[in-house]
Amino acid sequence: SQQGEEDPQALSIQEGENATMNCSYKTSINNLQWYRQNSGRGLVHLILIRSNEREKHSGRLRVTLDTSKKSSSLLITASRAADTASYFCATDNDMRFGAGTRLTVKP
Amino acid sequence: DGGITQSPKYLFRKEGQNVTLSCEQNLNHDAMYWYRQDPGQGLRLIYYSQIVNDFQKGDIAEGYSVSREKKESFPLTVTSAQKNPTAFYLCASSPTGAPGGYTFGSGTRLTVV
Repeated sequence: SQQGEEDPQALSIQEGENATMNCSYKTSINNLQWYRQNSGRGLVHLILIRSNEREKHSGRLRVTLDTSKKSSSLLITASRAADTASYFCATDNDMRFGAGTRLTVKP
Repeated sequence: DGGITQSPKYLFRKEGQNVTLSCEQNLNHDAMYWYRQDPGQGLRLIYYSQIVNDFQKGDIAEGYSVSREKKESFPLTVTSAQKNPTAFYLCASSPTGAPGGYTFGSGTRLTVV
């Protein structure tokens, strides 16, 4: 089975609210990545966090990594309707992806 | 600009036919991957290749075949043995060990008619 698993499976929020999704993994990693997939499109790389980093920011995205718990979270602040997509995590040592989190942002 | 190109975007297959999906990258990546995605589902690994002239089966290789004769190219053939081929197919590439993650193509939607 894949290394990374996202939670929740689906998330529905209002525009302007924050969205948080989580990723758990099983074995030690060098880095963890988050991707976005709009409907019918390929995955787009959003952000990468290395194992020696605890938090990373990119625009409205904030990623945290807790290697002791083998988990990561992706926070999207001040969400927009355009953030509606599926979000996936992946690790450097596994080419498999989970089912993702389907985020719906209502205008 | 460097990138990964999948073609065609849409493909229709008659039952019993083999079809080949193209994946080309100019990123100089050693590793390439094929995934299948069914509606509302995640990605499932079909085949991957970490070096030219070598490839390995993923989790759902039955009914599919690949080749890796050139570093830039990793075509996927969906054979008539694949009983339920209708799906969205994604190709990706990465440097060895994926130190910076994966680059994906825009996908091919295959429909059996």
